[in-house]
Order: sequence, then structure tokens, then C-alpha cells
Amino acid sequence: DTAVSQTPKYLVTQMGNDKSIKCEQNLGHDTMYWYKQDSKKFLKIMFSYNNKELIINETVPNRFSPKSPDKAHLNLHINSLELGDSAVYFCASSPTGDRGNTIYFGEGSWLTVV
Amino acid sequence: GENVEQHPSTLSVQEGDSAVIKCTYSDSASNYFPWYKQELGKGPQLIIDIRSNVGEKKDQRIAVTLNKTAKHFSLHITETQPEDSAVYFCAATPGHSNYQLIWGAGTKLIIKP
Repeated sequence: DTAVSQTPKYLVTQMGNDKSIKCEQNLGHDTMYWYKQDSKKFLKIMFSYNNKELIINETVPNRFSPKSPDKAHLNLHINSLELGDSAVYFCASSPTGDRGNTIYFGEGSWLTVV
Repeated sequence: GENVEQHPSTLSVQEGDSAVIKCTYSDSASNYFPWYKQELGKGPQLIIDIRSNVGEKKDQRIAVTLNKTAKHFSLHITETQPEDSAVYFCAATPGHSNYQLIWGAGTKLIIKP
């Protein structure tokens, strides 16, 4: 009964490849996010969607493309992977924006680019 | 825009002692301040939050205090236990956005047995 689930948990891939990380939430939330956490543990928001519409798009290379087929899913596709993309990517969701509402994080997807 | 600074980056305390982590923010319009705990290999999880109309909030061994004038808020953990070892993040909502949290850099809390 995982609330926010993302797959795969671990991903090792070569530079230049294209990969996707899938995310699903079963909490009925309207808002979903992708966060990137680097080796120093900094949490940086990448994207936020509310009811399938893009709300926040931080300064992220356009090699990263989120896709929300419905409000329960927010997938992340990454083209032409680079070494600097190695990080932990967290999917998250919240009821209505994150002002005053708890953000529920997934377990993370560890991406290693070699 | 909003900026959140968090100190210290690492905190080591003896089991049973108290731990305090401090954050400052820059946007005086911010009005929601959550604290998240991230255990090893897991995603962050909300442990306590406070709104700007409240000066202090307590939940068992953890408490958060907010000083709006000074624009800082702190997490207090009393009677620390080994399971408190984790990375703790503070965050604040900027005044202009309903969908964005600005995060502190995190504090690694180590509880020594």
C-alpha cells in the first residue's frame, strides 16, 4: 500500500543513453513533483504538476522532460544522459500545492551515469 | 527570492541529550515552515511544521519555534535516541508561490551511544 511509488529504485546507465523513471501516487493528491538530491544531500525541485498541468519548471536542462498522463502519474524522461545527472531523484505528491500541506516523498531512484 | 539557510551541517550529540537545528529565511511573506527527516535510503518525511501565526509547536520529544521578527525558526529534539540519527531539512514557502518550498541544505544528526 505504498503511497508514492517510483521505479526503478536503482539505475546504472552509460552516458548518452535515454532513460525514464516512473512515478505513481495512490493518495488522490492533485500535485506531484520531481526533486533531485545530489551527493551533498541538497534537495532541488525540478518540476511540479497540478492536475496534470505544469506549475513549476525550475532551471532544468531540456533533456529532462516530465510527462503526466493523469494526476496520479508523473514520469520523468531523461535524454542524452550526462555524468552530472547522477543523483537520487525523488517523486513526491501533496494535496493542493505545498503551502501548508504535507509533501509525501517516494523512496527515491538512484541514477548512476557511467 | 526566498533563501533558507540551515545550520549546522552536521551535529553530533550524546544519546539522551538535546539537539537544536536552526534555520533563517529571507522572505518576510513566508508563512509556513515544515521540518522533514530523511533516514538513510529513504525519502524525506514530515515530522513537524509551524505556521506564522504560532510561535511554538510541540509533538512529544520534538518542538519547533518561530521568531518572525528575526526570521528564524528552530527544531528542538529532546532526549535523543539512536533512531533520531538522520538528515533533517527545514523549508519555507515563498510569499509568491503556493506550489514551492524553499529548502535548507540539511543537517546530518548523529546520535552517539
